[in-house]
Amino acid sequence: AQSVTQPDIHITVSEGASLELRCNYSYGATPYLFWYVQSPGQGLQLLLKYFSGDTLVQGIKGFEAEFKRSQSSFNLRKPSVHWSDAAEYFCAVGAGVGNEKLTFGTGTRLTIIP
Amino acid sequence: GAVVSQHPSWVICKSGTSVKIECRSLDFQATTMFWYRQFPKQSLMLMATSNEGSKATYEQGVEKDKFLINHASLTLSTLTVTSAHPEDSSFYICSASTGTQYFGPGTRLTVL
Repeated sequence: AQSVTQPDIHITVSEGASLELRCNYSYGATPYLFWYVQSPGQGLQLLLKYFSGDTLVQGIKGFEAEFKRSQSSFNLRKPSVHWSDAAEYFCAVGAGVGNEKLTFGTGTRLTIIP
Repeated sequence: GAVVSQHPSWVICKSGTSVKIECRSLDFQATTMFWYRQFPKQSLMLMATSNEGSKATYEQGVEKDKFLINHASLTLSTLTVTSAHPEDSSFYICSASTGTQYFGPGTRLTVL
C-alpha cells in the first residue's frame, strides 16, 4: 500500500528566507507525486506534480520540488518565502491515470514571521 | 483552467435533516470525482470515488446509506448527507480528476 510521510508538522520561517518542506513516500512502482497548498477554510490548490522525466519540477508561485528515487523523497522548496505563503502544505502520492486515488500526508503548517 | 466549484460553501442544518452538496467542474469534464472529509487541523480523508454513470465506491468505514453520492454527468457530482447528526459536522471537499485531481473550495457543514 502506498503511504506518505511529512515529518514536519509545523515550520516557521522568516519572510525572505528559503524554505524546504520534506515529503517521503512509499510506493511499489513509479509514483505520481503532488504538492498541494491549502489556505485556512479553503480547498486545495495544486502547486506542482511529477509524473516522469526531469526530476526537478517547477510549479506555481515560485515553488519547485525534486524527485529523488533513491531517497523516496519529493521535497518542496522555495528560495524566498513571502507572507502570503503561510498555509498548510500537503504532499500526495498516486498510481496515475486509470487509478487516480491519492494518498495524502498529514500536512505541514507553514508560518511566516516578518 | 481546471476550476472546480462547490455549493453551498457553508450550511447549517438541524439534526435529522438531509443536506446536499454539489461539486461541479466548470471548464473541463471529469469521469472521476472524489469526496473527502477533513477534520480541523487534519489531513483529508477519502470518503468515496464517484464515477460518472456508475455507483460510487466507498472507503472502508464510510456508510454508503448515510453519504449518498450521485455522479449524474461528467461535470457534476453530488453528496447528500442523510439524517445528519452533529458528528457529521465537518469540512467536505470534492475533487475532479483528469489524471490530476483539482479540488473544490470545500463546504463547511454544521449540524445543530
